[in-house]
Amino acid sequence: KQEVTQIPAALSVPEGENLVLNCSFTDSAIYNLQWFRQDPGKGLTSLLLIQSSQREQTSGRLNASLDKSSGRSTLYIAASQPGDSATYLCAVRGVNTDKLIFGTGTRLQVFP
Amino acid sequence: ETGVTQSPTHLIKTRGQQVTLRCSSQSGHNTVSWYQQALGQGPQFIFQYYREEENGRGNFPPRFSGLQFPNYSSELNVNALELDDSALYLCASGLAGLNEQFFGPGTRLTVL
Repeated sequence: KQEVTQIPAALSVPEGENLVLNCSFTDSAIYNLQWFRQDPGKGLTSLLLIQSSQREQTSGRLNASLDKSSGRSTLYIAASQPGDSATYLCAVRGVNTDKLIFGTGTRLQVFP
Repeated sequence: ETGVTQSPTHLIKTRGQQVTLRCSSQSGHNTVSWYQQALGQGPQFIFQYYREEENGRGNFPPRFSGLQFPNYSSELNVNALELDDSALYLCASGLAGLNEQFFGPGTRLTVL
């Protein structure tokens, strides 16, 4: 059974810092991994999607890496801003299914 | 902008009542998935519909049921509401066999 864990659960950093959010999963037989952002009480915004055959994806100040064999992904946020404050969720999709299995998220606060 | 909409935004019910939540998929999408997100947790997969048939179900009892209509809009019905059903309910639409799913803003259900 696939399990997804995110560390740390919460993070508070000053503006401008570079930071890394971690996601681990127990079953390496995945189709893809996706990082989402969620603002309080809101829906999910997709940030980056990495196919199982890829090692990383980049979008602006965000970079996500995937090491499928070790069951790990990291989301790197460069030059953090107060507007980055949100909960960040990773989700894996297994082979032959559209079902996403989510971690519990990392709650990020960036203060000025 | 994903184009996935959900209604209502918020809903308050009492134990034992029944509730219907609605989702309008993004244009051209033919799958819809429903997720339950309890406070402080990651979303949990309830079920997916494809071509108006249930196409995969998570660990939820039969009192959680759904419908998908020919225009690809969808309903989630929950009977005999329990306090633990209080959560944010998210729907996600996509194209069968393709990568990404797009989430709506969610419906916040409170059961008193």
